[in-house]
Amino acid sequence: RKEVEQDPGPFNVPEGATVAFNCTYSNSASQSFFWYRQDCRKEPKLLMSVYSSGNEDGRFTAQLNRASQYISLLIRDSKLSDSATYLCVVNVNNQGGKLIFGQGTELSVKP
Amino acid sequence: DAGITQSPRHKVTETGTPVTLRCHQTENHRYMYWYRQDPGHGLRLIHYSYGVKDTDKGEVSDGYSVSRSKTEDFLLTLESATSSQTSVYFCAISGTGGPYEQYFGPGTRLTVT
Repeated sequence: RKEVEQDPGPFNVPEGATVAFNCTYSNSASQSFFWYRQDCRKEPKLLMSVYSSGNEDGRFTAQLNRASQYISLLIRDSKLSDSATYLCVVNVNNQGGKLIFGQGTELSVKP
Repeated sequence: DAGITQSPRHKVTETGTPVTLRCHQTENHRYMYWYRQDPGHGLRLIHYSYGVKDTDKGEVSDGYSVSRSKTEDFLLTLESATSSQTSVYFCAISGTGGPYEQYFGPGTRLTVT
């Protein structure tokens, strides 16, 4: 079983749609959680950290459920520019910044 | 954007040759990382450094070595490149949020023929 699992997609949605990505992690000692965004043939970029109470940044909302070992990312009012691969990332035991990456979920927003 | 550069950006080399990739940062961050990204595997940690001359192995360190003689530079060496090391290599540094928020360089595409 992979340490971090995501639905690979692709998710094809129209502009303006709301889309949700889910991620599960296997290690209950995981302490820090992130969503990264990666455009085709580019480097991953930090989108947002995920806090226990949930957090929001504009159209993006991240949630964490430690009991279920589940992380989610909600994108409201999708834009064409949101098309990318979204990576779920966890850090276990805050070990020296060692991050475990999911394989990513591809999003394609269509006009 | 974080000040991270990688060189070279693209390289084609032959099996058995040594290859060194360079990561340079202008942020004066303590932590630096090397990852490789392959289809079906996502990003995997090769080696990381938590200070000058302090390095440790990651998940896929076999066949790779690293060195960090200055805060700003982290070198990744393939002593004898193999075709299985064809990949995209990303360097990362820790951000202002501590060693857990990482910021990535533009990547190096390495092809071993």
